[in-house]
Amino acid sequence: KTQVEQSPQSLVVRQGENCVLQCNYSVTPDNHLRWFKQDTGKGLVSLTVLVDQKDKTSNGRYSATLDKDAKHSTLHITATLLDDTATYICVVGASTNTGKLTFGDGTVLTVKP
Amino acid sequence: EAAVTQSPRNKVTVTGGNVTLSCRQTNSHNYMYWYRQDTGHGLRLIHYSYGAGNLQIGDVPDGYKATRTTQEDFFLLLELASPSQTSLYFCASRTGYEQYFGPGTRLTVL
Repeated sequence: KTQVEQSPQSLVVRQGENCVLQCNYSVTPDNHLRWFKQDTGKGLVSLTVLVDQKDKTSNGRYSATLDKDAKHSTLHITATLLDDTATYICVVGASTNTGKLTFGDGTVLTVKP
Repeated sequence: EAAVTQSPRNKVTVTGGNVTLSCRQTNSHNYMYWYRQDTGHGLRLIHYSYGAGNLQIGDVPDGYKATRTTQEDFFLLLELASPSQTSLYFCASRTGYEQYFGPGTRLTVL
């Protein structure tokens, strides 16, 4: 069973539109949740990390929420740009010393002119 | 900014071939990780290490060996490469709950 499920699998928006990506997980324990951006064939770039039971973060046009009771997170991208075209990956970190992470499969976002 | 580098960036080998992927971090982080990324799967942990000489088994270790020779250097070894090991491989280092990823190595096994 997939422990980190992301939806939608893919999404197409027009430049300037807003979008919301979802992440549901069943990982226990859930010490923190992080969103990464990955350009095609490239490495992962961290966008934000959420830690608290009910957490909100903001990083420029990216904002995120986490509800650990619901085991649910959202990533909001405001006023999308062509450069936002990428795969967005939700990752849950367990509260162990090993730093082991559980990755979602990602949402592929395409921003069109 | 934490730095993790990988080499080679691209590698093509044949079935049964011997491949070594290299990773170096200049951050003095204790933990280092090797992942593979395949379409339809999230990143999956192969091996990890919490210091020179240490090795821990990850979630998909079959067919892979790893060695941590120094604090900075972590190697992934495929001694008898198979086509199922064609993948994009990422190395990462960690401090606290921040993981810093390398740029990836694309391996093709023919």
